[in-house]
Amino acid sequence: SQQGEEDPQALSIQEGENATMNCSYKTSINNLQWYRQNSGRGLVHLILIRSNEREKHSGRLRVTLDTSKKSSSLLITASRAADTASYFCATDGVWAAGNKLTFGGGTRVLVKP
Amino acid sequence: KAGVTQTPRYLIKTRGQQVTLSCSPISGHRSVSWYQQTPGQGLQFLFEYFSETQRNKGNFPGRFSGRQFSNSRSEMNVSTLELGDSALYLCASSLDVTGGAGETQYFGPGTRLLVL
Repeated sequence: SQQGEEDPQALSIQEGENATMNCSYKTSINNLQWYRQNSGRGLVHLILIRSNEREKHSGRLRVTLDTSKKSSSLLITASRAADTASYFCATDGVWAAGNKLTFGGGTRVLVKP
Repeated sequence: KAGVTQTPRYLIKTRGQQVTLSCSPISGHRSVSWYQQTPGQGLQFLFEYFSETQRNKGNFPGRFSGRQFSNSRSEMNVSTLELGDSALYLCASSLDVTGGAGETQYFGPGTRLLVL
């Protein structure tokens, strides 16, 4: 089952605008990661934020994490047509060692030129 | 360094058959995880292998199994295929220097399985 929900499910913006998507999760986590997927292909890792961090930046990406609300947001600034993709948040819980990511449902982003 | 490779990329099978999918991790990566992606259920964790041992398992029936070889390459097998097994199967690898949690996972392009 999925850890939580992503909001919105779909987003359509003009090139140059910012895109913001949110992710909520249900259980305590160690880390939260964001991935991008183009047209049903493999996932590309974007950014990882640890549970003791509140904000992280990477290029045009800004991620925030609010563990009290069990939510995270991903902001893509100055979007480009190449940013058109589905974006997923993924969490790893505190229950076990190893790699076991639980993914949200994803946000489909369309950037119009 | 070459990325994660998965073979085959596309596969068509009929109900009742079995299928084996292969994943070669990035050189030096010791952990391999498998995920199933469908439009209805999204991305779901199948299992993870580390040092030839299954370290984590998702909520899938016993028809889904896997293994890892000494060179970290992994295979997953689905027996007695059902229509609902049609999906994109993704493999991911990571270095696993910290015991797994908090490490970036690198995904392969996936194997798209269609069950008729």
